[in-house]
Amino acid sequence: AQRVTQPEKLLSVFKGAPVELKCNYSYSGSPELFWYVQYSRQRLQLLLRHISRESIKGFTADLNKGETSFHLKKPFAQEEDSAMYYCALSGSARQLTFGSGTQLTVLP
Amino acid sequence: DAGITQSPRYKITETGRQVTLMCHQTWSHSYMFWYRQDLGHGLRLIYYSAAADITDKGEVPDGYVVSRSKTENFPLTLESATRSQTSVYFCASSHYTGTQNTEAFFGQGTRLTVV
Repeated sequence: AQRVTQPEKLLSVFKGAPVELKCNYSYSGSPELFWYVQYSRQRLQLLLRHISRESIKGFTADLNKGETSFHLKKPFAQEEDSAMYYCALSGSARQLTFGSGTQLTVLP
Repeated sequence: DAGITQSPRYKITETGRQVTLMCHQTWSHSYMFWYRQDLGHGLRLIYYSAAADITDKGEVPDGYVVSRSKTENFPLTLESATRSQTSVYFCASSHYTGTQNTEAFFGQGTRLTVV
């Protein structure tokens, strides 16, 4: 079975402050991990994936297999980062499982 | 138009009625997924499909039926709608390259209310 846990339902930070959205997973094999974002009134869209090791919109995420975590980080939050963020896992069965999401609010 | 589209966007139905939500994608992606989005639960997988005529249950399949006779379509049917199935439903598609899945592309969602 595969499971994704996002412990924070709501997270508020001030503009310019660092932000970290936590994601832990449970999977016995080698998973693919993703972060998806849903801005207000927009479709859910991919933010980044661990395979590509990219920085998108200033966000990064590192897969830590020892801690089974894939936390999303940004050093300086912007108001336009306010959105719902979902961590997701794809295992060998290609089933794409999402966490419960974290609503990020960046305050001015 | 290229992409993934869901219909209808909004639906109100009565308890006990059958309702079908449609999903169509134009990329010939192999994988398609149905999720429901509820406050506090995030996105929960209902069913997914790896190819035409291949479907598998997700986390919350009870009360739902899917079919995939064609690669591009993946309809979701609520055989006898219940109030607990009031939710926003999202369809998604992705392609499996043989070693990994491409990103999943999502439809705009269907807001279903069961009264």
